Amino acid sequence: DQQVKQNSPSLSVQEGRISILNCDYTNSMFDYFLWYKKYPAEGPTFLISISSIKDKNEDGRFTVFLNKSAKHLSLHIVPSQPGDSAVYFCAASLSNFGNEKLTFGTGTRLTIIP
Amino acid sequence: DSGVTQTPKHLITATGQRVTLRCSPRSGDLSVYWYQQSLDQGLQFLIQYYNGEERAKGNILERFSAQQFPDLHSELNLSSLELGDSALYFCASSVNSGDLNRDRSGYTFGSGTRLTVV
Repeated sequence: DQQVKQNSPSLSVQEGRISILNCDYTNSMFDYFLWYKKYPAEGPTFLISISSIKDKNEDGRFTVFLNKSAKHLSLHIVPSQPGDSAVYFCAASLSNFGNEKLTFGTGTRLTIIP
Repeated sequence: DSGVTQTPKHLITATGQRVTLRCSPRSGDLSVYWYQQSLDQGLQFLIQYYNGEERAKGNILERFSAQQFPDLHSELNLSSLELGDSALYFCASSVNSGDLNRDRSGYTFGSGTRLTVV
């Protein structure tokens, strides 16, 4: 049962334009959401997160939007740069101290075209 | 360097064999998590240890086991290996400070062990 879904395996965007990556979840108990970025031959690295009490969180070129009623979140990257080419994983978690298990989506490979 | 060390980086072994993957968490982190990433799959949670004790279990097969030692390093043991066990195995660590937001954002991954079963 895939509780976190990223339905687009890949996305290509022109450099300088906006990249929008989408993620859907099924478990309404999830209360914290994160995006991780992964380059080849490296482990995922934390990018940005959002608590379920918010609907938007911004950090530089990266903004995450959360729509709880639709159980949907998205990551916006503006402007997109060649170094943003990577696989992006959406992850979700429950409030449970001592068990910060993250449930990951299958990832979206983003390619920025120069 | 993320601070989480995984060895070996690559492992090729035959079906039916047993292997051990090792993880040293980032200094100060008490929790270790193991994830499996198969081809075109997301990261599947296997198991979590916190300060030497098993804390949470995910989709871990009975042929797989793990432990966390007093020095906080962890080992994932995979036995009776099958072709389908070929995957990237990631270890991650977090501090478990009691601040959930900090802990979850502070998840640090190693670069993984690529296991190929032939």
